[in-house]
Amino acid sequence: GAVVSQHPSWVICKSGTSVKIECRSLDFQATTMFWYRQFPKQSLMLMATSNEGSKATYEQGVEKDKFLINHASLTLSTLTVTSAHPEDSSFYICSARDQDRGGKTQYFGPGTRLLVL
Amino acid sequence: GESVGLHLPTLSVQEGDNSIINCAYSNSASDYFIWYKQESGKGPQFIIDIRSNMDKRQGQRVTVLLNKTVKHLSLQIAATQPGDSAVYFCAETPSGTASKLTFGTGTRLQVTL
Repeated sequence: GAVVSQHPSWVICKSGTSVKIECRSLDFQATTMFWYRQFPKQSLMLMATSNEGSKATYEQGVEKDKFLINHASLTLSTLTVTSAHPEDSSFYICSARDQDRGGKTQYFGPGTRLLVL
Repeated sequence: GESVGLHLPTLSVQEGDNSIINCAYSNSASDYFIWYKQESGKGPQFIIDIRSNMDKRQGQRVTVLLNKTVKHLSLQIAATQPGDSAVYFCAETPSGTASKLTFGTGTRLQVTL
């Protein structure tokens, strides 16, 4: 149980294009999902908290107009990197809480590696 | 706290030995702690968690110890195996419903044969 998937697993795009990453909770419902970014040999940095049916909450320093988050259902959140640039190249990871189980454990997806040329 | 360094501390352990990975946290309001294992190119995998009203919790081959007095958390892996090689992160979350996790720097565990 508590499986989270991400799609795509990796993407290469040209500078200036937009990229959408999907995060799905496969066997549970998640009213709250989280998006992280991870650079090589570094820890995970929380970008935003995605709330089903409402606006996402962004961490300080994260541009909400550049990283668009939509959480339209209890099993799907999407992150769109708009007008991507090489500095946006990173490993993007989502997580979800299993509301039915209670607690604060976050279960992570496999990550999406983004390379912007 | 959040990682800002470019070099992960590394722990080298011989196969079959026990491993101890340490983590210091800074927020005294944190009441829930989790250890995650991250293999190269993959997302973090939940290992074990502990609440602040406990000081020890055991799982399969793993034990987490919590010392709230000195804000220290440790993960013990018994009979370390090559498959345990990965980066291990501790994470903390404060009391309340926000449930945001703050990740530690991470420790790379290398298991030698």
